[in-house]
Amino acid sequence: GESVGLHLPTLSVQEGDNSIINCAYSNSASDYFIWYKQESGKGPQFIIDIRSNMDKRQGQRVTVLLNKTVKHLSLQIAATQPGDSAVYFCAENMGQGAQKLVFGQGTRLTINP
Amino acid sequence: DAGVIQSPRHEVTEMGQEVTLRCKPISGHNSLFWYRQTMMRGLELLIYFNNNVPIDDSGMPEDRFSAKMPNASFSTLKIQPSEPRDSAVYFCASSLLRDTEAFFGQGTRLTVV
Repeated sequence: GESVGLHLPTLSVQEGDNSIINCAYSNSASDYFIWYKQESGKGPQFIIDIRSNMDKRQGQRVTVLLNKTVKHLSLQIAATQPGDSAVYFCAENMGQGAQKLVFGQGTRLTINP
Repeated sequence: DAGVIQSPRHEVTEMGQEVTLRCKPISGHNSLFWYRQTMMRGLELLIYFNNNVPIDDSGMPEDRFSAKMPNASFSTLKIQPSEPRDSAVYFCASSLLRDTEAFFGQGTRLTVV
């Protein structure tokens, strides 16, 4: 029979509120991480990245936090807007030489007006 | 630069037919990635190249799948013979250096009937 599809974690927030999306990565040796945003019918789009020698990095309305002790990554979006509605993926570089980006399952963010 | 260019955008084919997906990475980028996205399995890394050389093809599902990168500006992903379970969106991405963002194409939506 047909298997059940991935059940994406979903986060719903009110427009203007802050949102936090979490990600657990798998490889303690990974040293580079990226957050991507994917809108319906489009390819993933870069939001922000962080290297393992940092624990926080800020962009425009976004902040990424890295906790290497528990292999956890989070994306904070400030003052969410309707255009922030999308699926958000974290990716880790698992390659030892060349870059090998492996993606997590994703979180669907819905902004309520 | 026009970004990563994939063709075709949509492909519908019959089971058993050969399918070839094409990708033109961003000029100057030395890493190229092929991903497959489905509801069942999310965004999977199939294979990646560095300086036109395949580095890791452990994500390629079966021998029916093959990928080539004859030069720095072109790559193909071929499925022969295709099966209905190969239906998915296939993304190509490229990056300039290790620990830099990967840029994604718009994807090819493949339907095998």
